[in-house]
Amino acid sequence: SQQGEEDPQALSIQEGENATMNCSYKTSINNLQWYRQNSGRGLVHLILIRSNEREKHSGRLRVTLDTSKKSSSLLITASRAADTASYFCATHGGAQKLVFGQGTRLTINP
Amino acid sequence: KAGVTQTPRYLIKTRGQQVTLSCSPISGHRSVSWYQQTPGQGLQFLFEYFSETQRNKGNFPGRFSGRQFSNSRSEMNVSTLELGDSALYLCASSLGGATSTDTQYFGPGTRLTVL
Repeated sequence: SQQGEEDPQALSIQEGENATMNCSYKTSINNLQWYRQNSGRGLVHLILIRSNEREKHSGRLRVTLDTSKKSSSLLITASRAADTASYFCATHGGAQKLVFGQGTRLTINP
Repeated sequence: KAGVTQTPRYLIKTRGQQVTLSCSPISGHRSVSWYQQTPGQGLQFLFEYFSETQRNKGNFPGRFSGRQFSNSRSEMNVSTLELGDSALYLCASSLGGATSTDTQYFGPGTRLTVL
């Protein structure tokens, strides 16, 4: 079963625009992670935000976390064609057990 | 440092057969987790091994099993394959702390097709 829901399921934007993806989850968390997956390949870890953090940056990525609303958002600024991928949020359902959302499929058009 | 490796990358089997997939974690990582990814169910946790012991298990039938060796390499086995077992199988390694703060690093996956 999925812990969270991602919104939107699919997003198509022009290169250079910003992309925002949202994730909602159901239970209390210690942290929330975002992963990227290119074309059915392995997952690449992007960023981890702890429950006591509200915002975190990494390069062109900005993640926010609102534990009162049980939601997180991932913002990719100045998008590039190489950002085309599926993006997943994940929380822990146990120490080393990640529970993933269904993902957002992002397409960057040249 | 080398990443997580998985072999084979692609596999085609027929119903009723069994299959073994292999995962080599990042050097120094002691925890290996396995996930199944399908279009319908998404990414689902199978099980996790730490120091050769299964520490966590997902909601999959007993046909799915695994083990971990003393060098932290792990294998998962699926017996009596069904069409619904067709999926991308991903393994992830981490340091393996008991708390939920470790980052898991994923391999490229094994694409299993059951005919």
